[in-house]
Amino acid sequence: GQNIDQPTEMTATEGAIVQINCTYQTSGFNGLFWYQQHAGEAPTFLSYNVLDGLEEKGRFSSFLSRSKGYSYLLLKELQMKDSASYLCALIHTGGFKTIFGAGTRLFVKA
Amino acid sequence: ETGVTQSPTHLIKTRGQQVTLRCSSQSGHNTVSWYQQALGQGPQFIFQYYREEENGRGNFPPRFSGLQFPNYSSELNVNALELDDSALYLCASSFGDREAYGYTFGSGTRLTVV
Repeated sequence: GQNIDQPTEMTATEGAIVQINCTYQTSGFNGLFWYQQHAGEAPTFLSYNVLDGLEEKGRFSSFLSRSKGYSYLLLKELQMKDSASYLCALIHTGGFKTIFGAGTRLFVKA
Repeated sequence: ETGVTQSPTHLIKTRGQQVTLRCSSQSGHNTVSWYQQALGQGPQFIFQYYREEENGRGNFPPRFSGLQFPNYSSELNVNALELDDSALYLCASSFGDREAYGYTFGSGTRLTVV
């Protein structure tokens, strides 16, 4: 089986940096995704980590440590439009099944 | 690229009825997966189709079934609807083993069972 845990909600200030953590227990997976989902909209792909380490894409970075069962999404220079849910997801070995966490709702305040 | 489109956007059904939801995958994508998302929760994996065959399934009963067609469009069928089936149903497409590019999600079908 597998469990994916994320904080339920976070609040941060415009212009700041926020780190959203994701911990998991699973027997094996190909890689770990982060998605952004605005209220009432479809999830949109942010990042994919296969190997341990940091992947950087503009204001967003994602980190994975397989040995620690841990990932985080780092958002820099926060903007009001970054207020959304952030979903951590694992794709099982073989690519036949993807499991999502419940998501972290991020509120960005002025 | 035309993206992923789902129909209908909203639907109300009565308990015990059957429903069919439709999804048109992004051009060139041969893999489609379906998810159920309850309010305030993450998407729950229902199943995945690759080249018209189901190749992965989550913890959903057999009354949830699907089809994928040669043009890569797909359907989700739910029989004997229950009140707890009320949710947003999301379809996502991708290309085979190119998982590094992630899935492209449709905007979903909001199903209400009364």
